[in-house]
Amino acid sequence: ILNVEQSPQSLHVQEGDSTNFTCSFPSSNFYALHWYRWETAKSPKALFVMTLNGDEKKKGRISATLNTKEGYSYLYIKGSQPEDSATYLCAPLISGGYQKVTFGTGTKLQVIP
Amino acid sequence: KAGVTQTPRYLIKTRGQQVTLSCSPISGHRSVSWYQQTPGQGLQFLFEYFSETQRNKGNFPGRFSGRQFSNSRSEMNVSTLELGDSALYLCASRPRTSGSYEQYFGPGTRLTVT
Repeated sequence: ILNVEQSPQSLHVQEGDSTNFTCSFPSSNFYALHWYRWETAKSPKALFVMTLNGDEKKKGRISATLNTKEGYSYLYIKGSQPEDSATYLCAPLISGGYQKVTFGTGTKLQVIP
Repeated sequence: KAGVTQTPRYLIKTRGQQVTLSCSPISGHRSVSWYQQTPGQGLQFLFEYFSETQRNKGNFPGRFSGRQFSNSRSEMNVSTLELGDSALYLCASRPRTSGSYEQYFGPGTRLTVT
């Protein structure tokens, strides 16, 4: 079983604050990492797919970085808005035959207006 | 393209019964994965099917089984239901099991076992 840790488990921030959270995973046999956003009563949706060490991805106010050598990824949200409230999941893929996807337990973000 | 669909959306069963959930992937996607989500837990991987064959399996008892049809639609079956099986069951599809393709999730089936 792949050990994927996300921290913090939950976070409350004021509207306009910037925030970040972490995904840690075993660095051996790394293939790719996905970030998903899961809003209440909706399905998880992919934010980023990251494959290379040093990768940086950005979508609007949200960005992510990847360090495959040390096994972590950061997700940053600049100027949080209430619509950013969701659970953010990371899912590293390990190589070797069929890539198996393992999800972290997620970081639940609540942005207070 | 139509998204991933799951039926039924809600289900109430009694302990000891069995249940079958259905998932239709995005057209052209040949890989379907199933996940269980319970309060306080992340998405727990059940299994992944590709071309009608199970490719990966999570750590669930044999009461949980699945299959995939030639049109890539998938079903998941849980026999002898237990109270702890109450959960949201999500399926997700991707084009294939290799590559860095992200998964596309369905709306889920909320199963309640009483």
